[in-house]
Amino acid sequence: QKEVEQNSGPLSVPEGAIASLNCTYSDRGSQSFFWYRQYSGKSPELIMFIYSNGDKEDGRFTAQLNKASQYVSLLIRDSQPSDSATYLCAVSGGSYIPTFGRGTSLIVHP
Amino acid sequence: GAVVSQHPSRVICKSGTSVKIECRSLDFQATTMFWYRQFPKQSLMLMATSNEGSKATYEQGVEKDKFLINHASLTLSTLTVTSAHPEDSSFYICSAREAPGDEQYFGPGTRLTVT
Repeated sequence: QKEVEQNSGPLSVPEGAIASLNCTYSDRGSQSFFWYRQYSGKSPELIMFIYSNGDKEDGRFTAQLNKASQYVSLLIRDSQPSDSATYLCAVSGGSYIPTFGRGTSLIVHP
Repeated sequence: GAVVSQHPSRVICKSGTSVKIECRSLDFQATTMFWYRQFPKQSLMLMATSNEGSKATYEQGVEKDKFLINHASLTLSTLTVTSAHPEDSSFYICSAREAPGDEQYFGPGTRLTVT
């Protein structure tokens, strides 16, 4: 059973701070890693994907992948109230069927 | 990013009737489309994976005769909920991707209410 684990939260951070979201996965053969944002009542929206170990930056977002430790994280710099949402981690391997975590709820308070 | 549309966005139907939901990739060819269901405050649940021109692969516990999936072209997949019952009321979301391993893009979802 392939598992993707996320802390459900909520993670509460003040506006302007860095939010750090973490995800661990069980399948060592995983190759593709994705972060999605889902606002309440809406469908998920792709934020970033990462395939190689290390960091990948896109604007205020940085994805970090460590395959040896089987974790992937998402950093959000200069957090804004509009970043308040549930963040979903998804991982796929040889079957190419993504497995989603249950999501971490992020609250950015003014 | 790529755009996936879904229609209708909301539907209310009576118990025992069937409802069809369409999912379209608007600016790319989707070799694979996924169908999810999400109950309030719960996580995404994958129902089935559909590859163009092939029969859909259903997840364990999902009745393939109740949730009919057709992926007839590289831009269109449909989900038909047959003989709907109130317990089928949920948020149904499709997603599409161009190639294996690629990121998937989600449609806006269809909120189904069965009365």
